Amino acid sequence: SQTIHQWPATLVQPVGSPLSLECTVEGTSNPNLYWYRQAAGRGLQLLFYSVGIGQISSEVPQNLSASRPQDRQFILSSKKLLLSDSGFYLCAWSLGAVNQPQHFGDGTRLSIL
Amino acid sequence: AQTVTQSQPEMSVQEAETVTLSCTYDTSESDYYLFWYKQPPSRQMILVIRQEAYKQQNATENRFSVNFQKAAKSFSLKISDSQLGDAAMYFCAYRNLLNSNSGYALNFGKGTSLLVTP
Repeated sequence: SQTIHQWPATLVQPVGSPLSLECTVEGTSNPNLYWYRQAAGRGLQLLFYSVGIGQISSEVPQNLSASRPQDRQFILSSKKLLLSDSGFYLCAWSLGAVNQPQHFGDGTRLSIL
Repeated sequence: AQTVTQSQPEMSVQEAETVTLSCTYDTSESDYYLFWYKQPPSRQMILVIRQEAYKQQNATENRFSVNFQKAAKSFSLKISDSQLGDAAMYFCAYRNLLNSNSGYALNFGKGTSLLVTP
């Protein structure tokens, strides 16, 4: 069966510091991968998606970036964090067909001080 | 862009009773998919149910069912025989068949917080 791992679960970082959140998927190949951010009391905002290795698309311009160095690895990064980057970050995967649901990781709670 | 609206920020239901969560969406497309996700306090997003727009029959998963009204662009979730474990944030989500370029990403509503009382 397929599983998705996301880490760390919780992260506290100072403003201006770098960020690296990692997500890996097991049990499938060539998944679509997604990064979402959930601000307090709000829904999920799509940040990045990837349909293949090295293919990254951004939905929201910001100081975050994403990379997909391997088929089942998706990384969310920043060179300098802002206070507004605080939130709950969720990684998700799905098969490529349109009728396939997305499956989410456990999320990372990011607090910027 | 398609928008998903959940007009009920909070709902409350007594254990064993039935509750309906509302969701409306805006689209000009005729084919699409709709989903309900549950997010308990653990924050993990769990798929509850999905509906294909071309199917007239409402989807059902055990105690969870939907009332899909395509003309009204409405997709409500009914939870029967509510249990304490149903307490969570519920999100309605929309997926357009045409947005393959976006990897079929989901558009989410802002969620409804469901409280289940004993």
